[in-house]
Amino acid sequence: DTAVSQTPKYLVTQMGNDKSIKCEQNLGHDTMYWYKQDSKKFLKIMFSYNNKELIINETVPNRFSPKSPDKAHLNLHINSLELGDSAVYFCASSEGNSPEQYFGPGTRLTVT
Amino acid sequence: AQSVTQPDIHITVSEGASLELRCNYSYGATPYLFWYVQSPGQGLQLLLKYFSGDTLVQGIKGFEAEFKRSQSSFNLRKPSVHWSDAAEYFCAVGATGNQFYFGTGTSLTVIP
Repeated sequence: DTAVSQTPKYLVTQMGNDKSIKCEQNLGHDTMYWYKQDSKKFLKIMFSYNNKELIINETVPNRFSPKSPDKAHLNLHINSLELGDSAVYFCASSEGNSPEQYFGPGTRLTVT
Repeated sequence: AQSVTQPDIHITVSEGASLELRCNYSYGATPYLFWYVQSPGQGLQLLLKYFSGDTLVQGIKGFEAEFKRSQSSFNLRKPSVHWSDAAEYFCAVGATGNQFYFGTGTSLTVIP
């Protein structure tokens, strides 16, 4: 009965590859987010979707493309992976304009 | 612009000692404030939150935090630290428009 789930938990891949991280929430929320936590533990929002529509798109390389097939899912696709993409990626969700966000367990991406 | 400052990058305390982690925020309206904990290799767990009302809020694991509007602070406290409290602690501000801002985190080490 996990509220916000992410797959995979760990992802190790080589430079230049394309990979996807999946996120699902069963809370009935209509807004979902992707955050990146860098090696210094700093957390920064990347994207936000509300009812499958992009509402926040921070300065992120266009190699990163979020996709929301429905409001319960927000996947993150990354093209041409670079060493600097190595990080922990967190998915989150919230209801409407509620300021409270619920976070997934994170996906640790390592690019070699 | 909204921001969250955690002045202490790293804190070391002895087990059984009291703990206070500092958090200062910058936000034009009444903030929605959160404290999260991240154990090594783990996701983000919500410790407590403040939306309105009583300025002293109780959270899980024996933590509490006090909202002080005059000081723009939301410091986290625990009267007696346990070894299992060693982790990274993040203060965050939720804002309208689904914005969410994290502080840079405070790493807590507990000495036996």
